Amino acid sequence: GDSVTQMEGPVTLSEEAFLTINCTYTATGYPSLFWYVQYPGEGLQLLLKATKADDKGSNKGFEATYRKETTSFHLEKGSVQVSDSAVYFCALNAGGTSYGKLTFGQGTILTVHP
Amino acid sequence: GAGVSQSPSNKVTEKGKDVELRCDPISGHTALYWYRQSLGQGLEFLIYFQGNSAPDKSGLPSDRFSAERTGGSVSTLTIQRTQQEDSAVYLCASSRDRGNNQPQHFGDGTRLSIL
Repeated sequence: GDSVTQMEGPVTLSEEAFLTINCTYTATGYPSLFWYVQYPGEGLQLLLKATKADDKGSNKGFEATYRKETTSFHLEKGSVQVSDSAVYFCALNAGGTSYGKLTFGQGTILTVHP
Repeated sequence: GAGVSQSPSNKVTEKGKDVELRCDPISGHTALYWYRQSLGQGLEFLIYFQGNSAPDKSGLPSDRFSAERTGGSVSTLTIQRTQQEDSAVYLCASSRDRGNNQPQHFGDGTRLSIL
């Protein structure tokens, strides 16, 4: 079945450090890939998406590239801020008979210190 | 409102009681999803609605769980004879349709605590 694996957390960084959160997936067909973010006390928000191979999603300084050859969708940001502290979820939508449901990774807690 | 609305935001109840959770999706969104977020299991899919029908109920954990959607809009998730393992945050999401490139928009969730 479909699955998403994220790097183990928590991740702790200093402000202005470079961030990478690894995400790999297993899916049949051609899934769309998403990163969602959950800030403390808030609901899940879409951060970025990519719908086909080699697409790059970007938002708020975050980027992720859909790599079909390595089945990966790693999240990166060049300079993190304290306000980026949150839980980050990688997810896929395999479409077709999956009816559009999202399959999530386990989440990665990011803490950024001043 | 502009976003997905869920109520109540918090619910505390005794084991064995029934609970109803409500979701009001974004206007015009035909696809509606329920998920559950718990510490041990992460984010799990429960059920999907297209309009008022539910083609995929594969994630419902037991026959104590049921859901309906009326008028292609509001949905309720009902848990009968609640158990402590039902304690979790229940999330509702909606999207324009079920296409795999459609982003899902989430509500803030209902935090359910079973005593």
